Amino acid sequence: RKEVEQDPGPFNVPEGATVAFNCTYSNSASQSFFWYRQDCRKEPKLLMSVYSSGNEDGRFTAQLNRASQYISLLIRDSKLSDSATYLCVVNPILTGGGNKLTFGTGTQLKVEL
Amino acid sequence: NAGVTQTPKFQVLKTGQSMTLQCAQDMNHNSMYWYRQDPGMGLRLIYYSASEGTTDKGEVPNGYNVSRLNKREFSLRLESAAPSQTSVYFCASSDGRDRYATNEKLFFGSGTQLSVL
Repeated sequence: RKEVEQDPGPFNVPEGATVAFNCTYSNSASQSFFWYRQDCRKEPKLLMSVYSSGNEDGRFTAQLNRASQYISLLIRDSKLSDSATYLCVVNPILTGGGNKLTFGTGTQLKVEL
Repeated sequence: NAGVTQTPKFQVLKTGQSMTLQCAQDMNHNSMYWYRQDPGMGLRLIYYSASEGTTDKGEVPNGYNVSRLNKREFSLRLESAAPSQTSVYFCASSDGRDRYATNEKLFFGSGTQLSVL
């Protein structure tokens, strides 16, 4: 089993739709979680961290389910500009640094008119 | 704001040739990283430098060497390129001073598309 697994998609949704992605992780001791966004042929950029209590940033909501070992990303009112690949990133330890991060392969989202 | 700058953007090598990928950051970050990204695989860590003067192997270090020239610069060298090293390479940096990785945010360079024939 991969350490971090994502459905590669693509998820094709109409503009204005709500779409959700899940990401499962295998290490139950994982401590921190993130969603990165990567546009085609560009570098990844941090979208949001995922906190135990869940967190929201505008149209984006991230949630963590430790019991089932997955994190989710919900995008409301999708925009054409949301089209990108969304990378799930997990850190298995509490201390240390970015060298411990494990990246998923990404879920591709295409928002259409 | 330059952030993380890596060069070159594109490179084609023949098998056996050598080259160095350059990376520099202007955010006064302690930690720097080199990743490769291949289709169907997540970003994989090649080498990292937690702080100036230190370097450590990541998940896929074979065939690569690195140099942390100073706090700003972290270079990746391919001594004898192989077709298996065809990939997109990303340099990244992070603050590295937070004791807890929870707040570790990576800033990436724009990537280098490398093809080895």
